Amino acid sequence: ELKVEQNPLFLSMQEGKNYTIYCNYSTTSDRLYWYRQDPGKSLESLFVLLSNGAVKQEGRLMASLDTKARLSTLHITAAVHDLSATYFCAVDIKQGGSEKLVFGKGTKLTVNP
Amino acid sequence: DGGITQSPKYLFRKEGQNVTLSCEQNLNHDAMYWYRQDPGQGLRLIYYSQIVNDFQKGDIAEGYSVSREKKESFPLTVTSAQKNPTAFYLCASNRRREKLFFGSGTQLSVL
Repeated sequence: ELKVEQNPLFLSMQEGKNYTIYCNYSTTSDRLYWYRQDPGKSLESLFVLLSNGAVKQEGRLMASLDTKARLSTLHITAAVHDLSATYFCAVDIKQGGSEKLVFGKGTKLTVNP
Repeated sequence: DGGITQSPKYLFRKEGQNVTLSCEQNLNHDAMYWYRQDPGQGLRLIYYSQIVNDFQKGDIAEGYSVSREKKESFPLTVTSAQKNPTAFYLCASNRRREKLFFGSGTQLSVL
């Protein structure tokens, strides 16, 4: 059974600081996604990582993928309050001829002034 | 604008009652999914469908049923067999092996 583990699950940080969220998964996959969710809202796609060594950046967020280590990171640079949200990683797996996404439990990020 | 429409936004279920959550997409996506989200938890897959008239159970299918009679529509029925249905339900769709697009969700509560 595929497990997708994120850590930390809760992260409180000050504006201007840097931090990294980790996403480990337990089976082979060549595709990983990062999503953002604001309270009471739906999920918004942030990044799609398609191959080993892939790196994507948008604004203060940078995501990377190491398929050999089965690890993805989401790095936050110089955090601002607007980044406060819950961040999910999701791993694409093949099962019985079809594909599905399995999500981690999410990392709730709070950026304090 | 293309997107996924879920309705209703809020739904209340009485004990012993079946309720149906609607999900419609006009993105021409083949695959559609239902996820359940409990407070402070990740998303758990209930059912998914890769093509019309076919669907597969996800990780927590017990107490739920779906149909996929049209490409655009993937309704989810929460049956009376689901003893703990209170949760936020999210519908999603995608083209094969591409990112998921999500609806705005339905919050289901028990009266």
